Amino acid sequence: DAKTTQPPSMDCAEGRAANLPCNHSTISGNEYVYWYRQIHSQGPQYIIHGLKNNETNEMASLIITEDRKSSTLILPHATLRDTAVYYCIVRVATNAGKSTFGDGTTLTVKP
Amino acid sequence: DVKVTQSSRYLVKRTGEKVFLECVQDMDHENMFWYRQDPGLGLRLIYFSYDVKMKEKGDIPEGYSVSREKKERFSLILESASTNQTSMYLCASSKEGLNTEAFFGQGTRLTVV
Repeated sequence: DAKTTQPPSMDCAEGRAANLPCNHSTISGNEYVYWYRQIHSQGPQYIIHGLKNNETNEMASLIITEDRKSSTLILPHATLRDTAVYYCIVRVATNAGKSTFGDGTTLTVKP
Repeated sequence: DVKVTQSSRYLVKRTGEKVFLECVQDMDHENMFWYRQDPGLGLRLIYFSYDVKMKEKGDIPEGYSVSREKKERFSLILESASTNQTSMYLCASSKEGLNTEAFFGQGTRLTVV
């Protein structure tokens, strides 16, 4: 699986959009970008995934650059409950859900 | 609501003890995983299973074994616990197929003294 690089921490004001970047410059053509988050003392939670098109669901939007070397997870209206560690993962579709989790980005949403 | 349940949130064991961590999922998933999470090292895959009685080593299997006798249950076994196995252990499951997302349990914080 391709390696990802994320900033260690970010702050965001409550109610504003949180934009979390991820660099995956060595991504292969058959690898997808997944995002998970882990709220303190809980297991990771799936957020969204995509291949090359932008994706949106009820939790977030995922923007993948045209060259697929980076992506941004957008939480459109961050709340205090979105404070968590966010993990960007790149993996092939066929690996049965195995994932390599790095250190992620600690997002702190402030009132 | 989908659920992955780990038998204990907190566990304290002595060095040399045999330790069993149990995980049950109610989603009829084929795949199950055990990870450990340590500060600065992220989540690391210990073992995974893609079917009953089937298992494959992950990135750090040394010192661990697993058992999957039933589809819904995946056990992690520490044959002789050591202090360097003090960690947060996370179980996950996923469906068979392409682009499956993993569902995680709440984690078991194991301390070996």
